[in-house]
Amino acid sequence: EDQVTQSPEALRLQEGESSSLNCSYTVSGLRGLFWYRQDPGKGPEFLFTLYSAGEEKEKERLKATLTKKESFLHITAPKPEDSATYLCAVTMDTGRRALTFGSGTRLQVQP
Amino acid sequence: AAGVIQSPRHLIKEKRETATLKCYPIPRHDTVYWYQQGPGQDPQFLISFYEKMQSDKGSIPDRFSAQQFSDYHSELNMSSLELGDSALYFCASSLRTGGYDEQFFGPGTRLTVL
Repeated sequence: EDQVTQSPEALRLQEGESSSLNCSYTVSGLRGLFWYRQDPGKGPEFLFTLYSAGEEKEKERLKATLTKKESFLHITAPKPEDSATYLCAVTMDTGRRALTFGSGTRLQVQP
Repeated sequence: AAGVIQSPRHLIKEKRETATLKCYPIPRHDTVYWYQQGPGQDPQFLISFYEKMQSDKGSIPDRFSAQQFSDYHSELNMSSLELGDSALYFCASSLRTGGYDEQFFGPGTRLTVL
């Protein structure tokens, strides 16, 4: 069964304390892996798409990497405004384009 | 930049009533997706349309139906509402032609069934 698992479920950091979020996937054939940020009661905000193992993408304090089994979202020197739930999602190479989401990591950055 | 528009933003209905949610995708996007997000849960795929034709179906109840119109806006119709239908409903759009998979989400419609 295709699965997307995120860890940790929740993470509390001090401002400036770098860390990584993990997304592991067991799918029959990965087409793409996506990272989204979601604030409470709002729609997911697109961050990154990764297609190939070894691929990396950066945006401000965020960097996403992909291996054959998992993806990491590295947060460097986070600020309180980075507090949100970070969702990982995948699409399969079956032709289906619907996203299958993990359960997310709730990040809280304290000043 | 233009984003996905959803209406209404909030909707309160009684059990067994019907509801219609509307979605206006980003201009020139050819694919629309509907997702349901229950409290504390991740978004679950319901249904999608590519160039106005249903392209994929997820865990959408038989009580729900959807369509995409000639102007590419989409509507999700929900009948015989149940308490368990209370959730955030998101619409997302993408430009599938050309191989772009990124989906951009709207702000959502919060449906409360009493």
